[in-house]
Amino acid sequence: KAGVTQTPRYLIKTRGQQVTLSCSPISGHRSVSWYQQTPGQGLQFLFEYFSETQRNKGNFPGRFSGRQFSNSRSEMNVSTLELGDSALYLCASSPTGSNTGELFFGEGSRLTVL
Amino acid sequence: GENVEQHPSTLSVQEGDSAVIKCTYSDSASNYFPWYKQELGKGPQLIIDIRSNVGEKKDQRIAVTLNKTAKHFSLHITETQPEDSAVYFCAASGQAGTALIFGKGTTLSVSS
Repeated sequence: KAGVTQTPRYLIKTRGQQVTLSCSPISGHRSVSWYQQTPGQGLQFLFEYFSETQRNKGNFPGRFSGRQFSNSRSEMNVSTLELGDSALYLCASSPTGSNTGELFFGEGSRLTVL
Repeated sequence: GENVEQHPSTLSVQEGDSAVIKCTYSDSASNYFPWYKQELGKGPQLIIDIRSNVGEKKDQRIAVTLNKTAKHFSLHITETQPEDSAVYFCAASGQAGTALIFGKGTTLSVSS
């Protein structure tokens, strides 16, 4: 069974640009969660989608947005990039939701903002 | 919302020693407490979890304890091995439909 796939794995952007990251969950999983990982801050929750609906949202500015498609694939977008947005962005899928059982993480998309 | 504090941020032990990582949470409604291990260059992986109706759970060399009154839970690793070296995250989640909130992580180094 294929795991969670995130693309691209690495990308470099400059301040002010925008970026879109993609996540393909494990087949059959309807929940996709996104986390931002930075040194010293750990895993900070961005948002969770379930069956195309945003179920939860973390404390991030409106520049961070996401969506989920009917096939459960998810994308997140960051507009007007800032230096502080440099991080590893992790996507995780689960069958029914992040608080009901195991989350399966991808290897992440590493974003560098110059 | 839920807030999870994790200590220590770094932990160094000798091979064969025990390691203990502690977490506290703020939301008394939280009822699911997983622990994840992240190796270099990989995403976190679940190693053990516990629910609020259980006080302790063991799986070979790892165990988790939960004190709901104190809103505190801990990960115990016995007979540590070099391959246990990784970043460990605790997490907590409350009522159905709420997000899983993680602590800031503990970097465990096991030297041989």
